[in-house]
Amino acid sequence: QVQLQESGPGLVKPSQTLSLTCTVSGGSISSGGYYWSWIRQHPGKGLEWIGYIYYSGSTYYNPSLKSRVTISVDTSKNQFSLKLSSVTAADTAVYYCARVSFSDSAPHDYWGQGTLVTVSS
Amino acid sequence: DIQMTQSPSSLSASVGDRVTITCQASQDISNYLNWYQQKPGKAPKLLIYDASNLETGVPSRFSGSGSGTDFTFTISSLQPEDIATYYCQQYDNLSVTFGQGTKLEIK
Repeated sequence: QVQLQESGPGLVKPSQTLSLTCTVSGGSISSGGYYWSWIRQHPGKGLEWIGYIYYSGSTYYNPSLKSRVTISVDTSKNQFSLKLSSVTAADTAVYYCARVSFSDSAPHDYWGQGTLVTVSS
Repeated sequence: DIQMTQSPSSLSASVGDRVTITCQASQDISNYLNWYQQKPGKAPKLLIYDASNLETGVPSRFSGSGSGTDFTFTISSLQPEDIATYYCQQYDNLSVTFGQGTKLEIK
């Protein structure tokens, strides 16, 4: 059973960089066959896709966030990470990591429990 | 970018009712459409992938249909545990977009 777990600071100051890590267990990122995704959800709002990465390092980002987002992968630790720069209060959200199956529609079939990140001084 | 219009934004129904949610894409996305269920304080759960395929372990009262620009998600007989927010999600040209969500409540 694949499991994903987000970790990182729950509080980030404005203008700083938000950094989160997703640790995958029950499956190997480097085995291929899946993308690994970050999604966020503003309080009381809907889901917003941030971007995803393949084990090879290929990345695809939401155009609206692309200038501030970096997603990376560490196959030796079976982890992938999110960095979001120059954060403001508008980046306060629950951040989820998820596995993306290689079906036609990119279904996100396994999710982490989510972690709340608050941007505040 | 492809826009997804999901409706209704909220819905109240009785146990045993048939419930339908729709999602419309701004352009043809073939069958590249998934449906998720999210309960309060929990991560979303994949229910339907590729427009009409039931994810393993998901009850058969959930179904999806459609292709091109118009998609439908149906609960054939609403159960109390189905109270949640439902989202559609499309995939096109390496990009992912979610619908705005439909909050389902018991009448």
